[in-house]
Amino acid sequence: DGGITQSPKYLFRKEGQNVTLSCEQNLNHDAMYWYRQDPGQGLRLIYYSQIVNDFQKGDIAEGYSVSWEKKESFPLTVTSAQKNPTAFYLCASSPPYRVYSNQPQHFGDGTRLSIL
Amino acid sequence: SQQGEEDPQALSIQEGENATMNCSYKTSINNLQWYRQNSGRGLVHLILIRSNEREKHSGRLRVTLDTSKKSSSLLITASRAADTASYFCATGPTEGAGTALIFGKGTTLSVSS
Repeated sequence: DGGITQSPKYLFRKEGQNVTLSCEQNLNHDAMYWYRQDPGQGLRLIYYSQIVNDFQKGDIAEGYSVSWEKKESFPLTVTSAQKNPTAFYLCASSPPYRVYSNQPQHFGDGTRLSIL
Repeated sequence: SQQGEEDPQALSIQEGENATMNCSYKTSINNLQWYRQNSGRGLVHLILIRSNEREKHSGRLRVTLDTSKKSSSLLITASRAADTASYFCATGPTEGAGTALIFGKGTTLSVSS
């Protein structure tokens, strides 16, 4: 079955440490997204990409970085510069944006990141 | 920047009743999408309605879109306990080619048996 796999499900970060969240897709999608979700809140966009190796910052990119060297893998690094990283992180993919038409997104089951 | 605002924030109903949740947005859109999120899971796409459509059905779901009022509603008929989840609207703005979807804060639906 095609889908998006996020790992690990739970992750703990020490102060001053960088951590990387994994996102793998086998849907052959050309667009990828990372979101942050805080309790009782909606999704806030961190980074997205419509083309491999071409990223666009979302609303809250500070303290985060992404890499997308191969289509199947789109990892997110939460750097030590992100002072409040405790949140639920969701990765999504979609077919490429078409002129005047956003495509439905497919989501992984998320990684919950906490500070030790 | 969150564009969609769902209303109500929380809704509690009995099994068999209908559930209606609303979404308002601010800018022009190319389409509007509804998603469901079960506790601790990722979002699941439910339905997409294009800006030139007024109503769309999918099983027990009915979505309406009023672009003049910049609002949409999601109706779930004959609710079941399994419908308990958070529901989000997401809009695709027309400004800026390739712009990502913008999600609202969601409506939490509780269906009791």
